[in-house]
Amino acid sequence: NAGVTQTPKFQVLKTGQSMTLQCAQDMNHEYMSWYRQDPGMGLRLIHYSVGAGITDQGEVPNGYNVSRSTTEDFPLRLLSAAPSQTSVYFCASSMGQGVAEQFFGPGTRLTVL
Amino acid sequence: AQTVTQSQPEMSVQEAETVTLSCTYDTSENNYYLFWYKQPPSRQMILVIRQEAYKQQNATENRFSVNFQKAAKSFSLKISDSQLGDTAMYFCAFNWANNLFFGTGTRLTVIP
Repeated sequence: NAGVTQTPKFQVLKTGQSMTLQCAQDMNHEYMSWYRQDPGMGLRLIHYSVGAGITDQGEVPNGYNVSRSTTEDFPLRLLSAAPSQTSVYFCASSMGQGVAEQFFGPGTRLTVL
Repeated sequence: AQTVTQSQPEMSVQEAETVTLSCTYDTSENNYYLFWYKQPPSRQMILVIRQEAYKQQNATENRFSVNFQKAAKSFSLKISDSQLGDTAMYFCAFNWANNLFFGTGTRLTVIP
C-alpha cells in the first residue's frame, strides 16, 4: 500500500493564480481531511469528508474548495491564491470514527508570492 | 470549542535520559480521544501514542507513556531512554467528531 500520497511536494504560485493540491489514499478509508501547518500554530483543519459526495468545513475553510467524487481522492482547490495561504498542507485519512488513527501524507509546501 | 495548549516551545534531553512533554486541553465533551504525534525533519506526521478518555489506565507504547489526568484535562508524554531519533516536533492532539485539534508543538532535541 502506498498509504496517503500528495502531489506536488513543492509549489510556488503568484497571487491570484489557481491550483489544485492532489491527495489520494489506497486504504479504502472513508474519512479524509486537509490541514495547513503554519509556524508556531500547529495544524489546523481546512475541510474534511466523511465519505464520497460528502464534505464539510473545518476551522479555516476560507479560500479553499474541496470535492469528494471517489473514496480514494480528495483534492484541495485554491481558486485565487493569496500570500496568506503560504503554508505546508497535509492530507490525512482514517477509517472514520474518532478513535481511528489518522494517516498523514508527506505534505505540500506552498509559497504564494 | 476545543483547545489544546502546549506550554513548552522547546525542550532538550540528554541521550538515555527521560523527558516529559506537557499538554493541557479544554473541552466540554466527555468522550474523546487524545494523541501525541511526532514530526521529524522529514515533515512526516507519525502517531506516537493514543489515549481514550473513558479509559483510566494510562497508555504505553514501548519507551513512550502518557500521564492522563481527565479531571485536570492534562495529557503529558513521557519518553524514557531518549534516543537521537526522538529529535522532532511533538504535537498533542484532541480528536472529537473526526476532527483533530492540535497544540502548537514542542521541539525536542536529544543531545548525544
